[in-house]
Amino acid sequence: AQSVAQPEDQVNVAEGNPLTVKCTYSVSGNPYLFWYVQYPNRGLQFLLKYITGDNLVKGSYGFEAEFNKSQTSFHLKKPSALVSDSALYFCAVRDMNSGTYKYIFGTGTRLKVLA
Amino acid sequence: DTAVSQTPKYLVTQMGNDKSIKCEQNLGHDTMYWYKQDSKKFLKIMFSYNNKELIINETVPNRFSPKSPDKAHLNLHINSLELGDSAVYFCASSQGVGTGELFFGEGSRLTVL
Repeated sequence: AQSVAQPEDQVNVAEGNPLTVKCTYSVSGNPYLFWYVQYPNRGLQFLLKYITGDNLVKGSYGFEAEFNKSQTSFHLKKPSALVSDSALYFCAVRDMNSGTYKYIFGTGTRLKVLA
Repeated sequence: DTAVSQTPKYLVTQMGNDKSIKCEQNLGHDTMYWYKQDSKKFLKIMFSYNNKELIINETVPNRFSPKSPDKAHLNLHINSLELGDSAVYFCASSQGVGTGELFFGEGSRLTVL
């Protein structure tokens, strides 16, 4: 079965420092991977996706993610964190093998950027 | 213009009541979804419609009944509400069932007393 894991419930980082939010996946076939962000009392917003091609994917708000096939990881990164980046981040994989193509979300990682 | 809009945003009701949540998208997408987010923020797919046809029904109690009158609308009706139904319900849409990303509404917070 397809799945994603976000091993950290919370990540704390100081403003200006680089941040990483971890995601590992388990899929059969080619993975279609996504990152979403959720601000308090809001819906999820799409940040970036990996479908094929370059392993480093750039997305919204200065975020990027690195697809690593050998480590089955798709970590979200940003070179310099802002306080306004504090939010809940979800990794997701699209199950292209089930016939329904449903999205499977990780459990979320709360990012706290400290001023 | 809001891309995916849900109403109502907040819903407080008594156990046993019936309630509905409506969703509309103006993105021209042909696939729509209902997700449930519980108090621990876990997201769980409930239903998905593609071109008004139900394609995902994820072991949800049959008290929950989705309805898609057209591609732009997906409603959720809940009968005989229970305390455990309290959650935030998100509507989302995507272009087809390929590699497109999801666009979410702002959520409908349901509280069952």
